[in-house]
This record gives sequence, structure tokens and C-alpha cells, in this order.
Amino acid sequence: DTAVSQTPKYLVTQMGNDKSIKCEQNLGHDTMYWYKQDSKKFLKIMFSYNNKELIINETVPNRFSPKSPDKAHLNLHINSLELGDSAVYFCASSQGFSGHLTYSNYGYTFGSGTRLTVV
Amino acid sequence: AQSVTQLGSHVSVSEGALVLLRCNYSSSVPPYLFWYVQYPNQGLQLLLKYTSAATLVKGINGFEAEFKKSETSFHLTKPSAHMSDAAEYFCAVRPRRTGKLIFGQGTTLQVKP
Repeated sequence: DTAVSQTPKYLVTQMGNDKSIKCEQNLGHDTMYWYKQDSKKFLKIMFSYNNKELIINETVPNRFSPKSPDKAHLNLHINSLELGDSAVYFCASSQGFSGHLTYSNYGYTFGSGTRLTVV
Repeated sequence: AQSVTQLGSHVSVSEGALVLLRCNYSSSVPPYLFWYVQYPNQGLQLLLKYTSAATLVKGINGFEAEFKKSETSFHLTKPSAHMSDAAEYFCAVRPRRTGKLIFGQGTTLQVKP
């Protein structure tokens, strides 16, 4: 019954490895997001997909590649992991865009996060 | 660009005391405004949101917030703090024409017995 689910919850890996985090939502939302929360708890948006189309791509190293096979799933793949990638990554969804109409009065529903530790 | 500022990275209150967490936004057009709470090792949970229907917004767990356009503020209050309120609180803005939710720096609420 979880609305936005992420896997895995914890991920410990060595520098240089490639890893993926998966996210699924069952709310029927058309927009999904990845946020990064750093050690000071600051939350910064990384990517957003609306109906499988990339609509927000913040200044993120191109080692990070999101993939959305359908509007209910948004995965994050990270190549050549670095120590600075250690953080908590949150997936979220919302009813975002529909053509030119935005539903900005909706909040986002967040997953429980994936704590990535690069050693 | 839209931004949101939370005054005070750490707030400490006694159990039963008033909770006041401050949030100010910068925008010529009032955005949609939200408060989220994050309990330790958990995701973010929506507490309440302002979407221009009413300036005083009631949320879950006894929290409420008042939108004041003249002060560009959306402060979060609770009349009586409970130990279970100890958490990280985030104010966020969502501009009316974009989908991007922008967060403040967060405020850690500590509740002392």
C-alpha cells in the first residue's frame, strides 16, 4: 500500500562502482522527481519526469542518469561513484503538468529515502 | 528566482510550550507554500499547504500556519509542543507556473521534557 516506494533503503558501495536506485509510485501521478539530501539536511532537486519526459534537469554531474520506463517508475543510475555522492536520495511524485496547465497547488508525496554511502 | 528562508536552524522548546517555526519567501507573486516534517531516518510528510483558499491553514498533528502577504511569511505554529514533535521541519515553495518544489534549509525542533 506504500504510495511511493524506493529500493534499496540502504546502499553501501565502493568508489568507482555503478549503482541504481529504483522508485515506484501507485498514486496515479504523472510527474516524478529525484531529490538529494546532503549531510546538512539540505534538499535539492535533481531531476523531474512528466509522463516519461525529462522536464527538470538541474546542474547534476552526467554520471547521474535518470530513467523513466513509464509514468509510475523513475530510476536513478549513478556511474563511477564518488565519496561526495554519499547522501540520502528521495524520490517523490505529484500531479505536475498536464500540457500547459500546472497543478502547482499540489504538494509532493515522498518516498522514505535511500541512504547511499560511498566508501 | 524563488527562494525560501527559514529563520533559525535549531529551535528548542519545553514540552507544552508554544512552537513557532519561521518561514519567509521571496516572490512578487505569492507562490504555493508547504510545510513538511521529517522524522529521524524517514521520508518527508506533508504537514499543511497554502493554496490561496484561506490564509490560516490547519494541518495534521495540531499544527497550523498563517500566510501573510505583507510580510511574505508562512510561519508554522503549534500551541502546545509534544515530545513526539521533535523532528526536522521544512518550508517549501512551489511557484505557480512551474512544478519545482524549492525547500528551505530546514529547522530542527527539539522538545525538552
